[in-house]
Amino acid sequence: GESVGLHLPTLSVQEGDNSIINCAYSNSASDYFIWYKQESGKGPQFIIDIRSNMDKRQGQRVTVLLNKTVKHLSLQIAATQPGDSAVYFCASNDDMRFGAGTRLTVKP
Amino acid sequence: EAQVTQNPRYLITVTGKKLTVTCSQNMNHEYMSWYRQDPGLGLRQIYYSMNVEVTDKGDVPEGYKVSRKEKRNFPLILESPSPNQTSLYFCASSLRGMGAGNTIYFGEGSWLTVV
Repeated sequence: GESVGLHLPTLSVQEGDNSIINCAYSNSASDYFIWYKQESGKGPQFIIDIRSNMDKRQGQRVTVLLNKTVKHLSLQIAATQPGDSAVYFCASNDDMRFGAGTRLTVKP
Repeated sequence: EAQVTQNPRYLITVTGKKLTVTCSQNMNHEYMSWYRQDPGLGLRQIYYSMNVEVTDKGDVPEGYKVSRKEKRNFPLILESPSPNQTSLYFCASSLRGMGAGNTIYFGEGSWLTVV
């Protein structure tokens, strides 16, 4: 069936560097995508979303890019901080399936 | 404060002893859902409910039951728990479930161990 998945299970970056977390989706009819952050011992929390009529959406330090041609989206975190260490999930809102997540570790 | 509340947060039980994990949301959301999270497998949907008295199976419904008698509550029932149901469980809700703008809110999780 259709699925949303993440490319890499782990990502380690230096504090202050930019982070890029990637996600692929297979349902070309998906029209809404959400990124969630899950800190240790907590439930996933909404970070940012994007609709399929957009290519890019920016938040405070986060940017989501959507490439519908290759069915790929990415989450970019600028000036990564220790508090950004978490597991990040993408999901499409047509079926709310999540991939395994990418664990981001920020090294001081 | 808008929230999704699960209870219990931590539970150790024995095989075959029926248990219920409660979930309540105070946002008047129509959509509620249960997920389990296991290492390397991410969040997998167990059951979901689009509204009162409407429930549907997710990807891993075997061994679970749910009910939606009231809008705010969506309990997860394990009639005869088995060790393979040891997992971290999340309840979630959103205004209407699917479609743009329907942010899903998650509870804090319930750690369940079946011995």
